[in-house]
Amino acid sequence: DIQMTQSPSSLSASVGDRVTITCRASQSISSYLNWYQQKPGKAPKLLIYAASSLQSGVPSRFSGSGSGTDFTLTISSLQPEDFATYYCQQSYSTPPVTFGQGTRLEIK
Amino acid sequence: QVQLVQSGAEVKKPGASVKVSCKVSGYTLTELSMHWVRQAPGKGLEWMGGFDPEDGETIYAQKFQGRVTMTEDTSTDTASMELSSLRSEDTAVYYCAHLRSGWYKEHYFDYWGQGTLVTVSS
Repeated sequence: DIQMTQSPSSLSASVGDRVTITCRASQSISSYLNWYQQKPGKAPKLLIYAASSLQSGVPSRFSGSGSGTDFTLTISSLQPEDFATYYCQQSYSTPPVTFGQGTRLEIK
Repeated sequence: QVQLVQSGAEVKKPGASVKVSCKVSGYTLTELSMHWVRQAPGKGLEWMGGFDPEDGETIYAQKFQGRVTMTEDTSTDTASMELSSLRSEDTAVYYCAHLRSGWYKEHYFDYWGQGTLVTVSS
């Protein structure tokens, strides 16, 4: 199974900051990497698919990049509603579908 | 627009079974690839299994093989997930989610149910 490792596990940032979250795969997954945002008590929400494609309706301050084993999710200017937990997920080698352990983004 | 509405919270004793349902609206169930993902309290997301449209079969994560059954009732557009031999570690929120397939290995969950809390406690 492909293991997905996110870093950091948590980070604190302020409104307006530029934030980057990293996801590393245990083997190459080409660009088959998706990002989700989850707020407390809510279902995850798809932000980015295929490493860099923005899901419809998602603000353009979110962007994704990377290929192979290393990927990043960038939020260009943090907004109050962006404080949440973010997960990456690979679809290159399934089953199983595997997720990263999550990155909790907190207000500084 | 796809909407997935799940059944309500459940409390079960160890050794029992639980069945969680997921009602589809906006599309028919036959147009969707429904999967199940769970999340233990304070933990990450764990894929349990779902329908593989390429094979036309339901696939399960190895961890749940023999304990989970996922079914679909196309007459009511309702997907269900039954987990048996429950233990305390199965306490989690269970989500149904549609797996959209794009080009080649491009698969992502674009619609999610609201989640169903299953508590396993004696």
